[in-house]
Amino acid sequence: KAGVTQTPRYLIKTRGQQVTLSCSPISGHRSVSWYQQTPGQGLQFLFEYFSETQRNKGNFPGRFSGRQFSNSRSEMNVSTLELGDSALYLCASSLRGNRGRQGTEAFFGQGTRLTVV
Amino acid sequence: AQTVTQSQPEMSVQEAETVTLSCTYDTSESDYYLFWYKQPPSRQMILVIRQEAYKQQNATENRFSVNFQKAAKSFSLKISDSQLGDAAMYFCAYRRTRGDSNYQLIWGAGTKLIIKP
Repeated sequence: KAGVTQTPRYLIKTRGQQVTLSCSPISGHRSVSWYQQTPGQGLQFLFEYFSETQRNKGNFPGRFSGRQFSNSRSEMNVSTLELGDSALYLCASSLRGNRGRQGTEAFFGQGTRLTVV
Repeated sequence: AQTVTQSQPEMSVQEAETVTLSCTYDTSESDYYLFWYKQPPSRQMILVIRQEAYKQQNATENRFSVNFQKAAKSFSLKISDSQLGDAAMYFCAYRRTRGDSNYQLIWGAGTKLIIKP
């Protein structure tokens, strides 16, 4: 079974530009979550998508957005990039069920390293 | 709000010896999950072990075991017979079981584990 695939692995962008990151979850997983990892702030939750709907959002500005497609693939977009957006962006997929105990484990991709210059 | 604290930024251990990584958390909920994840230089977050709060028995996965003290809100990870491949950042994480935010992982700051040959 293929794991979580994130593309691209590396990105270099200029301040003010926008960027789109992609995540393909494990086959059959319908929940996709995004996390930002930086040396200063650590791991922070961005948002979670399930069945093409955003179910939960972290404390990030509106420049950070996402979506999920009918095949569960997800994209996140960051507009008007700032230097502080430089980070490792991790995507995780889960087998989310109707009850909280199902699909307890989150499986992660290798991340996208975004550098803003 | 829930918080997770890892007070050891870095730990080192001799190969084949045992090391314990500490984690404390704060929550007002009685039912939740706790996880230890490992992040090697490849950056991919790998699940090491998980504990369900309603289970009194400590989880064990081969050389990895936890000491879960619910009343003290402590969740330490013991690695026995340390191997060079265990060298990585280790993150403690918390997850609720109920509510819209129950797929959000709340992370500690991480502990860098160094294995000395």
